[in-house]
Amino acid sequence: QKEVEQDPGPLSVPEGAIVSLNCTYSNSAFQYFMWYRQYSRKGPELLMYTYSSGNKEDGRFTAQVDKSSKYISLFIRDSQPSDSATYLCAMSARETSGSRLTFGEGTQLTVNP
Amino acid sequence: NAGVMQNPRHLVRRRGQEARLRCSPMKGHSHVYWYRQLPEEGLKFMVYLQKENIIDESGMPKERFSAEFPKEGPSILRIQQVVRGDSAAYFCASSPQGAADTQYFGPGTRLTVL
Repeated sequence: QKEVEQDPGPLSVPEGAIVSLNCTYSNSAFQYFMWYRQYSRKGPELLMYTYSSGNKEDGRFTAQVDKSSKYISLFIRDSQPSDSATYLCAMSARETSGSRLTFGEGTQLTVNP
Repeated sequence: NAGVMQNPRHLVRRRGQEARLRCSPMKGHSHVYWYRQLPEEGLKFMVYLQKENIIDESGMPKERFSAEFPKEGPSILRIQQVVRGDSAAYFCASSPQGAADTQYFGPGTRLTVL
């Protein structure tokens, strides 16, 4: 069983739709949760960073973490064609001394004009 | 403010040759991570380094792969005697001390082994 599960999609939505992306995980030691966006043949770009359970909002993006269910989500409001990319969830167990990130496989999103 | 820099962006090697991938972290960042992305797969951790120290190499293949982050200069990921299965995108990430999970990625090096 993979430590982090993410539906690879592909997911196709019309412009302006609300997009919901999700990951589940099995390692209860994970405390730090991130979402990255990766355009084709580019490096991952950090979108959201959250610690433990709760919500965090940044513009059109909202990240949610539910540690009791081992489930994290990223919501994109008013989606735009420029949001078309692969979205990767990532998580780690420690902060102060640095630690590896464990990634989901990524969800490929297309926003159609 | 320059981001994480990686070079070369594309590297072609024949089986049995050596590949050297370089990574310069963001200014002020003292932590460097290497990840590999195989076709149709997610990013997999390889190694975590600080200046002159390998902190965690649990994701590195046991043979042919090595990494360093010298006191001066970029971090180097070295692959000896490359095989076709090494073809992948190799990404470097860096983070500032004290915020080690806020990792910022470079553009990657795409290695093709013929």
